[in-house]
Amino acid sequence: AQSVTQLDSQVPVFEEAPVELRCNYSSSVSVYLFWYVQYPNQGLQLLLKYLSGSTLVKGINGFEAEFNKSQTSFHLRKPSVHISDTAEYFCAVSGPYNQGGKLIFGQGTELSVKP
Amino acid sequence: GAVVSQHPSWVICKSGTSVKIECRSLDFQATTMFWYRQFPKQSLMLMATSNEGSKATYEQGVEKDKFLINHASLTLSTLTVTSAHPEDSSFYICSASLQIGTEAFFGQGTRLTVV
Repeated sequence: AQSVTQLDSQVPVFEEAPVELRCNYSSSVSVYLFWYVQYPNQGLQLLLKYLSGSTLVKGINGFEAEFNKSQTSFHLRKPSVHISDTAEYFCAVSGPYNQGGKLIFGQGTELSVKP
Repeated sequence: GAVVSQHPSWVICKSGTSVKIECRSLDFQATTMFWYRQFPKQSLMLMATSNEGSKATYEQGVEKDKFLINHASLTLSTLTVTSAHPEDSSFYICSASLQIGTEAFFGQGTRLTVV
C-alpha cells in the first residue's frame, strides 16, 4: 500500500522569502510523484511531476521539487514566493500499476504568503 | 493541455432528492475517470474509479447505492448522489488521465450543499 505524509499543515511565510513544503511517501514499489495546487473552491492544477530521470523537477510558477529515493521524499521549493502563491498544496503518489491516474493524496499544506 | 470540465460548479438541493454531477473530458478520450470527495480543510479521498462501459470500482467504505457512477462514453462520467442528506454536503472533484501512471487532469469541482 502507498501513503503520503505532508509534514506541515500550515506554512506562513513573508512575500519574497523562500519556502519548502515537505512531502514523504511510503511505497513498496516504484512510484510517480506529483504536486498539485488548489485555490479556494477550485479543482487541482498540476505544479510538477516526477516520473523518471532527473531527480530535480522544475514546474510552473517557479516551483521545483527534488525526488530523494533514499529518504522517500519529494519536497517542493520556491526561492521567492508571491502573494498569489497563497493556496493549498497537495503532494500525491501514483504507483506504476495503478489504473490510469489513481492518486493517493497527502493531507495538504496551506501556504499563506503575507506582505 | 487536456481539459476536464465538471458541471455544475455548485448545487444546493433539498434533503431526500438526488443530484447528478457531470465530468467531461473535452479534448481527449478518457477510458478511466476518478471521483474524489473533499471535506473542508481536508485532503481528497478517492471514492471510485469510473470505467467506460463497465461498472465502477468503489473504494472501501463508499456506498455504491448512494453514489451512482455511470461512464457511458469515453468523454463523460456522471456521479449521482441519491437521496441526499446534509452529511453528503461536500466538494466533489473528478479527474481523468491520458495514460497509465501519468498526469491526471482535474475538473474544477462541484460544491454540493444539501439543506
